[in-house]
Amino acid sequence: DVKVTQSSRYLVKRTGEKVFLECVQDMDHENMFWYRQDPGLGLRLIYFSYDVKMKEKGDIPEGYSVSREKKERFSLILESASTNQTSMYLCASSPGLAGEQYFGPGTRLTVT
Amino acid sequence: GQNIDQPTEMTATEGAIVQINCTYQTSGFNGLFWYQQHAGEAPTFLSYNVLDGLEEKGRFSSFLSRSKGYSYLLLKELQMKDSASYLCAVSPRAGYSTLTFGKGTMLLVSP
Repeated sequence: DVKVTQSSRYLVKRTGEKVFLECVQDMDHENMFWYRQDPGLGLRLIYFSYDVKMKEKGDIPEGYSVSREKKERFSLILESASTNQTSMYLCASSPGLAGEQYFGPGTRLTVT
Repeated sequence: GQNIDQPTEMTATEGAIVQINCTYQTSGFNGLFWYQQHAGEAPTFLSYNVLDGLEEKGRFSSFLSRSKGYSYLLLKELQMKDSASYLCAVSPRAGYSTLTFGKGTMLLVSP
């Protein structure tokens, strides 16, 4: 059974804190993605990675960075959290860059 | 550029049939996905169309017309558990491109 896991379901952080969101997949997929999902805006791609140590900006990369040191793990970093980064964050992986994506359960981040 | 349109909300009655439309304008096309997302949960895969026509899978069917840039998801014999958001996603031409998601259609099934 395919599995994408995320480190936390719910997270509360203060403005200015550095935040790490972790994602792990056990399907040996080359590609991994980070999205945020907000009411009325749908899924928006933040960053994606098509190989270890490779990363590409998505549609809304500002205020975020990523790290992919191992194939199975893709981390999203908020260098200095702000209230407008309060959102649901979804990680996904896929065998092909434009193919079916498998999603993790999501992390609901609140920045106060 | 990429543009995907879906209705924001739809309502239907238990046992009925509902059709959720998706129109797209993208710089390339390699296939179309439908995902289901229950509130507070991750999207889960429903269907994938790459050729024109209807793909049937139990109570759910998905249709594609590439010439019209149009797809629909058909849900039959609606159940309360079908209340969810339904996301249309287009797979662009191969290369360093990823899925483009629509904003989703919230379906509410009432008794």
